Amino acid sequence: QKEVEQNSGPLSVPEGAIASLNCTYSDRGSQSFFWYRQYSGKSPELIMFIYSNGDKEDGRFTAQLNKASQYVSLLIRDSQPSDSATYLCAVKSGNQFYFGTGTSLTVIP
Amino acid sequence: NAGVTQTPKFRILKIGQSMTLQCTQDMNHNYMYWYRQDPGMGLKLIYYSVGAGITDKGEVPNGYNVSRSTTEDFPLRLELAAPSQTSVYFCASRGLPEDEQYFGPGTRLTVT
Repeated sequence: QKEVEQNSGPLSVPEGAIASLNCTYSDRGSQSFFWYRQYSGKSPELIMFIYSNGDKEDGRFTAQLNKASQYVSLLIRDSQPSDSATYLCAVKSGNQFYFGTGTSLTVIP
Repeated sequence: NAGVTQTPKFRILKIGQSMTLQCTQDMNHNYMYWYRQDPGMGLKLIYYSVGAGITDKGEVPNGYNVSRSTTEDFPLRLELAAPSQTSVYFCASRGLPEDEQYFGPGTRLTVT
């Protein structure tokens, strides 16, 4: 069973703060790692993907990958109320994608 | 481009009824996926396809069937609906060489 685990939260941060979201995965053969944002009642939308160990930055978002520790994280800098959503971590293994249960983030104005 | 479309948006089924959830993509993607998402949970893969005529089981295939006769369409069939199949169903597609999946808007299904 290939598992992806996230803290379900809820995580609350004040506007302008850094939000830190974490994810661990069980399959060492996993090749690609993704963070999706999902607003209530909507479909997931891709925020970032990362393939290699280290950091990847895109605007206010930074993804971090540590394959030795089987750990992926997402940092959101200068958090905005519009960032309030559920964040899903996903891992690709072969042709299949495995999702965590998501972390609910609330950014307080 | 419409992207990935799903019909219907909502459906209520009685136990034992059958139905087909439709999914169509216009991006000429080879890969297509069906997921279900239960309340407060992540997505679970039901079935996927790597191209027309080729399908394979995901994590939770029991109670479902799929077919892929064209690149564009990937319908999901529920033969004998059960309350445990109450969920939101998402279809997604993916083209090579990217790993990004494009999701449809979802179908909210209730079985009573």
